Amino acid sequence: EVQLLESGGGLVQPGGSLRLSCAASGFTFSNYAVSWVRQAPGMGLEWVSAICGSGGSTYYADSVKGRFTISRDNSKNTLYLQMNSLRAEDTAIYYCAKVVGASCYGSADYWGQGTLVTVSS
Amino acid sequence: DIVMTQSPDSLAVSLGERATINCKSSRSVLYSSNNRNYLAWYQQKPRQPPKLLIYWASTRESGVPDRFSGSGSGTDFTLTISSLQAEDVAVYYCQQYYSTPFTFGPGTKVDIK
Repeated sequence: EVQLLESGGGLVQPGGSLRLSCAASGFTFSNYAVSWVRQAPGMGLEWVSAICGSGGSTYYADSVKGRFTISRDNSKNTLYLQMNSLRAEDTAIYYCAKVVGASCYGSADYWGQGTLVTVSS
Repeated sequence: DIVMTQSPDSLAVSLGERATINCKSSRSVLYSSNNRNYLAWYQQKPRQPPKLLIYWASTRESGVPDRFSGSGSGTDFTLTISSLQAEDVAVYYCQQYYSTPFTFGPGTKVDIK
């Protein structure tokens, strides 16, 4: 059974940093692209970033480019999102999602339950 | 960036009746080399993560009831729930994965009339 378990969320001050993790199980992690999608309170879904299978190419939304870094450790079956220079508008539930193939250009067939990031003083 | 729009913002349908949601992309998401539309539909129920319903615009994900169907090509797409059930109350999102950033539509809320 595919499982994705996010962790690392919490309350952080504006300008601060946080690293999210997503522990994957139930599939061969290195063979698949994975992504981060966020949802601000009461709002819609916003795609944040993706990393292709085998730690290849990475992609970012303009709103986080230069501040967030996506990475993966295939030996630990874990996806990361390093978030720096956080802003109030980064407050959201952050979901980890598995893409259907190694290419980043695919739909997300499994999602974690999400981890809440709150940026506030 | 490709902008995704959805209509209506919300709709209320009687149990057993048809619900139709439209999604429009600002540029074509049809990749000519493989003739595939890079468009997915997701369902999100309250306090749950999104669930994949449809990919390649019209391919139903495994386990999704056949009352859900997707259609369209290029820039105009439709998600149809042929006979609305109580468990279908949710927000539905379309997403393009043709080019980064992989943008979502704003969502359509479906309720029971």
